[in-house]
Amino acid sequence: ETGVTQTPRHLVMGMTNKKSLKCEQHLGHNAMYWYKQSAKKPLELMFVYNFKEQTENNSVPSRFSPECPNSSHLFLHLHTLQPEDSALYLCASSQDSLEVNQPQHFGDGTRLSIL
Amino acid sequence: GESVGLHLPTLSVQEGDNSIINCAYSNSASDYFIWYKQESGKGPQFIIDIRSNMDKRQGQRVTVLLNKTVKHLSLQIAATQPGDSAVYFCAENIGNTGKLIFGQGTTLQVKP
Repeated sequence: ETGVTQTPRHLVMGMTNKKSLKCEQHLGHNAMYWYKQSAKKPLELMFVYNFKEQTENNSVPSRFSPECPNSSHLFLHLHTLQPEDSALYLCASSQDSLEVNQPQHFGDGTRLSIL
Repeated sequence: GESVGLHLPTLSVQEGDNSIINCAYSNSASDYFIWYKQESGKGPQFIIDIRSNMDKRQGQRVTVLLNKTVKHLSLQIAATQPGDSAVYFCAENIGNTGKLIFGQGTTLQVKP
């Protein structure tokens, strides 16, 4: 149990579908992150939220839309995805994204497959 | 440029032996480093971290060594067990941000 819970664990969707990934953290952290993990590649940072405000969008296509209603919840809304978007999507949290010298804690990810 | 890399994609060790996993980084301004372990079907799990004002830090069966002169980081696992089989990532926390840059990962295989 990492304190960061992601749902669903697996998702298969067509390119025209709309779906959402959910992340919830029970660590009392104020920063939350979305990462994409593809085979044979390092983790790619997508979005950062700090105290509910988006502080980083790492040139992510607009078909990915994040939402952070409070410091404990983070969503990633998906629309009109492409086959190359198939990957493991990881959520992480930390105390404060502007503070250095602190680790991020990860959920177990959502395995996304685009048909 | 900013990059974090591991020397070997795969490391195979005998159960009971010590394992050493290496990581090279390129940014001399980096001041915080983390090792993560990722088992199959799970997310990265925090193992141990080290700040740039230290050159060694020990945990339970794990030791992280930092050599700032050659920009090298290593993770040593003592008495490696089958449960240590996983992919290990180093990550670098740069400057005044909480942003992490990850290496590509080394797969540790433990032979019984």
